[in-house]
Amino acid sequence: GAVVSQHPSRVICKSGTSVKIECRSLDFQATTMFWYRQFPKQSLMLMATSNEGSKATYEQGVEKDKFLINHASLTLSTLTVTSAHPEDSSFYICSARAAPGSGGAYEQYFGPGTRLTVT
Amino acid sequence: AQSVTQPDIHITVSEGASLELRCNYSYGATPYLFWYVQSPGQGLQLLLKYFSGDTLVQGIKGFEAEFKRSQSSFNLRKPSVHWSDAAEYFCAVGAARGGADGLTFGKGTHLIIQP
Repeated sequence: GAVVSQHPSRVICKSGTSVKIECRSLDFQATTMFWYRQFPKQSLMLMATSNEGSKATYEQGVEKDKFLINHASLTLSTLTVTSAHPEDSSFYICSARAAPGSGGAYEQYFGPGTRLTVT
Repeated sequence: AQSVTQPDIHITVSEGASLELRCNYSYGATPYLFWYVQSPGQGLQLLLKYFSGDTLVQGIKGFEAEFKRSQSSFNLRKPSVHWSDAAEYFCAVGAARGGADGLTFGKGTHLIIQP
């Protein structure tokens, strides 16, 4: 149980284009999803928190107009990197927190990540 | 603001030897502490977590961790490592509000297993 998927696992896009990454909770409902960014050989940095049906909360220094997050349902959140540039190349990881009362509410379940390369 | 320090960037251990990975945290209230493992090409897997109660926590794959409030530490241990334990290990802290916030991760410790 508690599986989170991400699609695509790898994506290469040209500079200036936009790319969408999906994060799905497969066997549980996630009221809250988190998006992290991981640079090579570095830690995960929280980018934003999204709650189903409301606007995402972005961490300081993260451009909300560049990283658009939509959490339209209890099982799906999307991250769209708009007008991507080479410096946006990174490993993007999502996690999902189970809805309260569903067990493991304090635990985040992580997706396998998406490798974005902007050329 | 909360923070996590993993002082060791790399650790090399012989197969069968014991392991201890260090983690120190900074947080003003009761922390929720986690250890995750990340293998190449795979997502983060939770090894164990501490919320309250017994300060010695047992996890999966034979790992355990001990919460020491006086030292602000949550070190991960394993009595005998296997070659398959080679991976990146992350310590993380969450807010005492119960997981409503994202986690703050340490920089990770890369574990190398020598035959």
